[in-house]
Amino acid sequence: AQSVTQPDIHITVSEGASLELRCNYSYGATPYLFWYVQSPGQGLQLLLKYFSGDTLVQGIKGFEAEFKRSQSSFNLRKPSVHWSDAAEYFCAVGASGANNLFFGTGTRLTVIP
Amino acid sequence: DSGVTQTPKHLITATGQRVTLRCSPRSGDLSVYWYQQSLDQGLQFLIQYYNGEERAKGNILERFSAQQFPDLHSELNLSSLELGDSALYFCASSVGSSGGGGDTQYFGPGTRLTVL
Repeated sequence: AQSVTQPDIHITVSEGASLELRCNYSYGATPYLFWYVQSPGQGLQLLLKYFSGDTLVQGIKGFEAEFKRSQSSFNLRKPSVHWSDAAEYFCAVGASGANNLFFGTGTRLTVIP
Repeated sequence: DSGVTQTPKHLITATGQRVTLRCSPRSGDLSVYWYQQSLDQGLQFLIQYYNGEERAKGNILERFSAQQFPDLHSELNLSSLELGDSALYFCASSVGSSGGGGDTQYFGPGTRLTVL
């Protein structure tokens, strides 16, 4: 069965600083990987997804993520954080033909001016 | 705006009661998924319907049930409510049935249920 670990519960960064959120997955075959963002009082919005091909994936709002099979990781990055990026970020894993996603416990991002 | 709508936004009820949460998927999407988000359990998959039929089940309690209607909207019924059922309930939709694979899931804004 698939599983996801997000080791950082809460991260604080200064506005304009770079950001990396960690995600490790467990799955025997090639996973389908997703990053979602949840702003306060909002639903989950898809930032980016990886199915196959280029291991560096570009998403919305200036985010990118890199799939590293050797490390079972799919870390999310942004070169310069904006105050509006403050939210909760969820990594999720699926598989070819699977019906549902398995989500990590989330990382809450605080941005300080 | 994902195109997925959920009503109501908030629901406050008492233990032992029954409530119904409603979800309308994005236009053209045939699958509806229900998730529960709580502080202690995180975001957990409950159940999936595809074109009116149950397709997958997750950690859904026997007190909970769902259905998808011919117009593709879905309802999640929660009965004999307990304090621990207080949570944010999300609905998501996708075009096909493989929401964990090639089909991207689009989430609604959620219904916050408070059981007193």
